[in-house]
Amino acid sequence: EVQLVQSGAEVKKPGESLKISCKGSGYSFTSYWIGWVRQMPGKGLEWMGIIYPGDSDTRYSPSFQGQVTISADKSISTAYLQWSSLKASDTAMYYCARHPTITQGGYWGQGTLVTVSS
Amino acid sequence: DIQMTQSPSSLSASVGDRVTITCRASQGISNYLAWYQQKPGKVPKLLIYAASTLQSGVPSRFSGSGSGTDFTLTISSLQPEDVATYYCQKYNSAPFTFGPGTKVDIK
Repeated sequence: EVQLVQSGAEVKKPGESLKISCKGSGYSFTSYWIGWVRQMPGKGLEWMGIIYPGDSDTRYSPSFQGQVTISADKSISTAYLQWSSLKASDTAMYYCARHPTITQGGYWGQGTLVTVSS
Repeated sequence: DIQMTQSPSSLSASVGDRVTITCRASQGISNYLAWYQQKPGKVPKLLIYAASTLQSGVPSRFSGSGSGTDFTLTISSLQPEDVATYYCQKYNSAPFTFGPGTKVDIK
């Protein structure tokens, strides 16, 4: 069974750094793109970026380029999303997702709530 | 980058009604289109991928069609549990942009 399990909720102060994780299981982690999606309170889904753990090829949405860093450690089947300096506007739910292909469906993690407040 | 639009932004229909939501891409994306259902406080649920393939476990009253730039999600007989926001997403190439969403309510 394919599963994506994300790290727990975080409460941080503006200016702090943060790295959240998404551990994949039940499939070949290195063979599928894993992406991150932001959902701010009461708003829609925003695609942030994606990584191919097999070779660490990474693509970002123009809206998030330079604001976050996506990485992966294929030895432990885990993808990461990190911030070097959080802002209050980073407060949101963050989902990891193995997006569909033409022949296979997709899977989502349970979400990680990040709250940034002074 | 390719932009995704959805219409309507919201709709209200009666139980048993046929409901259609439209998604349009600003450029052709072949059939690299997914539909998601999200209920308040829940993780988005994949309904349809490859424009028309039903994800395993999704009720058959949901169907998808289209190719290129114009796509539709149809609920053949609206049920109370279908109250949710529905999103389309392109995934032919990065960025895998989502549409703005369509909120579906029961009249």
